[in-house]
Amino acid sequence: TQLLEQSPQFLSIQEGENLTVYCNSSSVFSSLQWYRQEPGEGPVLLVTVVTGGEVKKLKRLTFQFGDARKDSSLHITAAQPGDTGLYLCAGNTGNQFYFGTGTSLTVIP
Amino acid sequence: GAVVSQHPSWVICKSGTSVKIECRSLDFQATTMFWYRQFPKQSLMLMATSNEGSKATYEQGVEKDKFLINHASLTLSTLTVTSAHPEDSSFYICSAIRAASGMLDTQYFGPGTRLTVL
Repeated sequence: TQLLEQSPQFLSIQEGENLTVYCNSSSVFSSLQWYRQEPGEGPVLLVTVVTGGEVKKLKRLTFQFGDARKDSSLHITAAQPGDTGLYLCAGNTGNQFYFGTGTSLTVIP
Repeated sequence: GAVVSQHPSWVICKSGTSVKIECRSLDFQATTMFWYRQFPKQSLMLMATSNEGSKATYEQGVEKDKFLINHASLTLSTLTVTSAHPEDSSFYICSAIRAASGMLDTQYFGPGTRLTVL
């Protein structure tokens, strides 16, 4: 059983479309991170959120941490082929660090 | 700063042989390093937590005699896959935490090592 469930698992969209990836759990996290990973490479940290309800923006990417600190979302506006990759959320309970199930995004030119 | 390297980046070996993968923190000291395994388009699966100068802590289901971990210094941890078999073929990724921070969420990831066992 995965502590952090991501949806959707796979997503294929046309360039210019918007999308949202969800990361859900029944556990409370002291912080939550989002990573992007390209094939054959390690994950690269995109953002860390720590406060319930927090919203962070990174260019066309918007990250939100749920009020109860149990879930998070990643919204991409006007997706580009360069956004293609595996998106991973990861939560820190203070004692443990858990990765989400992952969302594989393909943006078609 | 905070660069983690892995060596080799890709290794192909025959079934029954052992393979050693190195994980190095290049510009910081790491008291804790993590080893993950990943299958294509899937998330990372934590295999073990490696602490400098002590025995590694393995996750449930991971054979400690199969995957030997040594963290002999603050900048180097090694994972040895002993008597490798085709089912061990995977992408192995390490991460490291700065000695100063001790914060779990500040993990720096290596670029990964692709292991193919024939």
